[in-house]
Amino acid sequence: GENVEQHPSTLSVQEGDSAVIKCTYSDSASNYFPWYKQELGKGPQLIIDIRSNVGEKKDQRIAVTLNKTAKHFSLHITETQPEDSAVYFCAASIYDMRFGAGTRLTVKP
Amino acid sequence: DAGITQSPRHKVTETGTPVTLRCHQTENHRYMYWYRQDPGHGLRLIHYSYGVKDTDKGEVSDGYSVSRSKTEDFLLTLESATSSQTSVYFCAIRRGTENYGYTFGSGTRLTVV
Repeated sequence: GENVEQHPSTLSVQEGDSAVIKCTYSDSASNYFPWYKQELGKGPQLIIDIRSNVGEKKDQRIAVTLNKTAKHFSLHITETQPEDSAVYFCAASIYDMRFGAGTRLTVKP
Repeated sequence: DAGITQSPRHKVTETGTPVTLRCHQTENHRYMYWYRQDPGHGLRLIHYSYGVKDTDKGEVSDGYSVSRSKTEDFLLTLESATSSQTSVYFCAIRRGTENYGYTFGSGTRLTVV
């Protein structure tokens, strides 16, 4: 089955800096790659996604890139703010979704 | 969140007792999922359902069973709870047929003592 690896497991940045989280997947048939943000005590929330026919997608301060050849995709957050502090999960899907282990992002004011 | 309710939110139970967690949706979606979340493992799929009485196993299904007798309810049962099943359990729905992100409930924190 699909295996998703996510790095780093923890990331600390200063407010205003950029943050990058990277994921790799094993199954070349995966065609949908969402990113979730989980705040303390809540369920994961979809923040952005990308499909395999697209190389990059942006939504305000967040962007996701996909390299199908290398089987990796990344989340980029620019101009980070304290409210960006959370755990972020990547996932890869053909029919069912497999998640990475998560990255705890801390944005220091 | 968005029409998904999990109950209970917190539960403490003893080893060997049966436990049932409930997921209720108000939006009539076909696909529903149960995940468990543990540190270092992310979210792992336990069971999923693709319609009333249609269910299948995920990657960590041992010790769990599910039932879906109505579109809106998806139940997860631990037949005989063990300490290794202490976890946070999330229910999710998928709004499309495929390649759509999931919407998660708020979770149930289960502690088996």
